[in-house]
Amino acid sequence: QKEVEQNSGPLSVPEGAIASLNCTYSDRVSQSFFWYRQYSGKSPELIMSIYSNGDKEDGRFTAQLNKASQYVSLLIRDSQPSDSATYLCAVVTGNQFYFGTGTSLTVIP
Amino acid sequence: NAGVTQTPKFQVLKTGQSMTLQCAQDMNHNSMYWYRQDPGMGLRLIYYSASEGTTDKGEVPNGYNVSRLNKREFSLRLESAAPSQTSVYFCASSEDSWFNSPLHFGNGTRLTVT
Repeated sequence: QKEVEQNSGPLSVPEGAIASLNCTYSDRVSQSFFWYRQYSGKSPELIMSIYSNGDKEDGRFTAQLNKASQYVSLLIRDSQPSDSATYLCAVVTGNQFYFGTGTSLTVIP
Repeated sequence: NAGVTQTPKFQVLKTGQSMTLQCAQDMNHNSMYWYRQDPGMGLRLIYYSASEGTTDKGEVPNGYNVSRLNKREFSLRLESAAPSQTSVYFCASSEDSWFNSPLHFGNGTRLTVT
């Protein structure tokens, strides 16, 4: 059983702060890592993908991957109320996606 | 560009009834997937189709069947609905089943079985 663990939260940050979301995974051979954002009652939408160790930046979002520690994170800089959502970590092993249960983020104006 | 389209959006069934959830994508993707999402359980894979003409079981296939009708369409059938199948169902597609292809999700079907 592949496991992807996320802190369910809720995580609350003030507007303009950095939100840090974390994810750990159990399978050392996992190859690809994705972050999805899901607003309440909506479908998941892709935010970031990362495949190699290190940081990857896209606008206000930075994904960080450490395969040795089996750890992937998402940083959201200058958090906005519109960032309030559940963030899902997805880990790919072989051709299978495994999802965490998500971290609920609330950005307080 | 519609992306991944699912129908219906909402459905209420009585125990024992059957229904088919429809999914179509217009992105020329090879791989298609059906997930269910339950509170506290995350997204769980029911069935997937790596390419046209193939289907495989996922983590929770019991009680479901699928058909990959053509490259665009992938349907999910509940032959005899049970209350345990009350869930939100998402169809997704990806360019292929290689590890670097992200999933693109439809808007979901909210199913209640009474």
